[in-house]
Amino acid sequence: SQKIEQNSEALNIQEGKTATLTCNYTNYSPAYLQWYRQDPGRGPVFLLLIRENEKEKRKERLKVTFDTTLKQSLFHITASQPADSATYLCALGDDKIIFGKGTRLHILP
Amino acid sequence: DAGVIQSPRHEVTEMGQEVTLRCKPISGHNSLFWYRQTMMRGLELLIYFNNNVPIDDSGMPEDRFSAKMPNASFSTLKIQPSEPRDSAVYFCASSLGGGGATDTQYFGPGTRLTVL
Repeated sequence: SQKIEQNSEALNIQEGKTATLTCNYTNYSPAYLQWYRQDPGRGPVFLLLIRENEKEKRKERLKVTFDTTLKQSLFHITASQPADSATYLCALGDDKIIFGKGTRLHILP
Repeated sequence: DAGVIQSPRHEVTEMGQEVTLRCKPISGHNSLFWYRQTMMRGLELLIYFNNNVPIDDSGMPEDRFSAKMPNASFSTLKIQPSEPRDSAVYFCASSLGGGGATDTQYFGPGTRLTVL
């Protein structure tokens, strides 16, 4: 069955450093991959979408890569700030999307 | 725009009671999604509608769950009878397009349901 794996353990990163989150998937060949941010007590908020023919996409301090051979996406936040602390969800799909469970990111001041 | 509106924000009920969750999507959006989120299972798609028509309800856990979308601006998710294992946060989301993977979904604030 289709499976999406995100690191279930929280990631602690020092302020100013680059945070890198991983999304791995199996038994799936999605054409698109999305990343969402979720703050406590709130719904997820869309950040970026990357297509299978795009190796990399950037938006301000965010960068996403999509490696269809490794079946992996990396999500980078450069010059991280405490306000970046949240849970980050990856979502894959073609006709509909499936969400990973998310990784909690803590940026330490 | 006010975004996706959900009510109630919190619901506490006793096992066996009927629960109705409500959602108002963003005006002009064509697709509406109902999700359930728990620590164990993450964010699970229950059902989605396109132009008020249910397209995929394969995520609805069992017959106790039902969803309706009588018009473009309102949807309900009903659980009858409710059970403690239904306790979760239920999110409604809407999108402009047909609900495919290139659509950006806009989520509501969620309804936290506790079934005692």
